[in-house]
Amino acid sequence: GAVVSQHPSWVICKSGTSVKIECRSLDFQATTMFWYRQFPKQSLMLMATSNEGSKATYEQGVEKDKFLINHASLTLSTLTVTSAHPEDSSFYICSARDWDSYSYEQYFGPGTRLTVT
Amino acid sequence: RKEVEQDPGPFNVPEGATVAFNCTYSNSASQSFFWYRQDCRKEPKLLMSVYSSGNEDGRFTAQLNRASQYISLLIRDSKLSDSATYICVVARTGANNLFFGTGTRLTVIP
Repeated sequence: GAVVSQHPSWVICKSGTSVKIECRSLDFQATTMFWYRQFPKQSLMLMATSNEGSKATYEQGVEKDKFLINHASLTLSTLTVTSAHPEDSSFYICSARDWDSYSYEQYFGPGTRLTVT
Repeated sequence: RKEVEQDPGPFNVPEGATVAFNCTYSNSASQSFFWYRQDCRKEPKLLMSVYSSGNEDGRFTAQLNRASQYISLLIRDSKLSDSATYICVVARTGANNLFFGTGTRLTVIP
């Protein structure tokens, strides 16, 4: 199946710093990628939909100025958590859909565990 | 009302047991249906797609009832390795993103 990579897999940062997470589709083109956040023992929550070459669409309650998304190419989307605070500590997962496929299936990256101290 | 409703569990079953998960969806425009499996601290992985005719993959059987708008997953002869969270996922026409259930936590006990 299609492969999505994420980098870094885990990161620890100090409060007030910014963290960038990369999501790459390795063997297919993804005009749309999705960013999710998952707190412990909770379900995945969609944060935003990242569209190649245009602005991301954010879900209600997600601050676009805090979670900057850039989708500069068909295989790369980045999420930058700006001025991170301890409450931003979470598991961030991206996914991508293979638009050459007729399936709605999404392929998930392995996730990035962010801890803000 | 949530797009996808799922019993969060947890389900604790002995090895060898049969366990069933159900999930309902609210939007009749829903078009594609999936069951994903998520292990602790890992990303969700596709377990199987769900078709109107029902589909089976080894010990796993998925069914879709469009009239009642629900999806089910049956696991027979549970193994310890089946312990995970099972997430019901729905896609619908006009929406790029998927809609996730809360997931049902399954623990298979020796």
